[in-house]
Amino acid sequence: DADVTQTPRNRITKTGKRIMLECSQTKGHDRMYWYRQDPGLGLRLIYYSFDVKDINKGEISDGYSVSRQAQAKFSLSLESAIPNQTALYFCATSGEGSDKNIQYFGAGTRLSVL
Amino acid sequence: AQKVTQAQTEISVVEKEDVTLDCVYETRDTTYYLFWYKQPPSGELVFLIRRNSFDEQNEISGRYSWNFQKSTSSFNFTITASQVVDSAVYFCALSDYTGANSKLTFGKGITLSVRP
Repeated sequence: DADVTQTPRNRITKTGKRIMLECSQTKGHDRMYWYRQDPGLGLRLIYYSFDVKDINKGEISDGYSVSRQAQAKFSLSLESAIPNQTALYFCATSGEGSDKNIQYFGAGTRLSVL
Repeated sequence: AQKVTQAQTEISVVEKEDVTLDCVYETRDTTYYLFWYKQPPSGELVFLIRRNSFDEQNEISGRYSWNFQKSTSSFNFTITASQVVDSAVYFCALSDYTGANSKLTFGKGITLSVRP
């Protein structure tokens, strides 16, 4: 099984709908991240969390919210989806020790907002 | 503020050619980490290497090698004898070293196509 699991893998929704993307991890990492990828723009950070009680906005947080339900779970919500939120979304985790600052990514969720 | 520039957007080579992917970064930190990730057509992001700023030795792993030059703020990636399976988008990234802020700043990626 994957260490970082994202669900769903693909989602099509309509403008104005609320949608939640979920991420769970078995790596035991405290730090979790949500990114979006758009063609030609690379990955941009939406939100990040260094532990259950610590949640921070990234560079493009407008229109998104997150919930860190447990160390292993970090969900991203689009309260009212709009077409320019169509993108590939990635969850990532990072830990300490020998893997310090290395981020491990889920397989991604491809979201289309019509 | 941190910035990563991958000036090449698309590169196309014929199998067995060597290819170098360029990465230039900007940071005010004196210690930091640099990374390369690979995104094959299947879409997942695969970690390739992490290099800390106080270790300027070049690294080789099979057909892959990385050249870190602090003087020019560059961390270039060379694939020797490229193969079709190397076709992917490659991202260079930067983070601070202390761990207080482990966010990654990514470049926009380089799409590498290796033709048979």
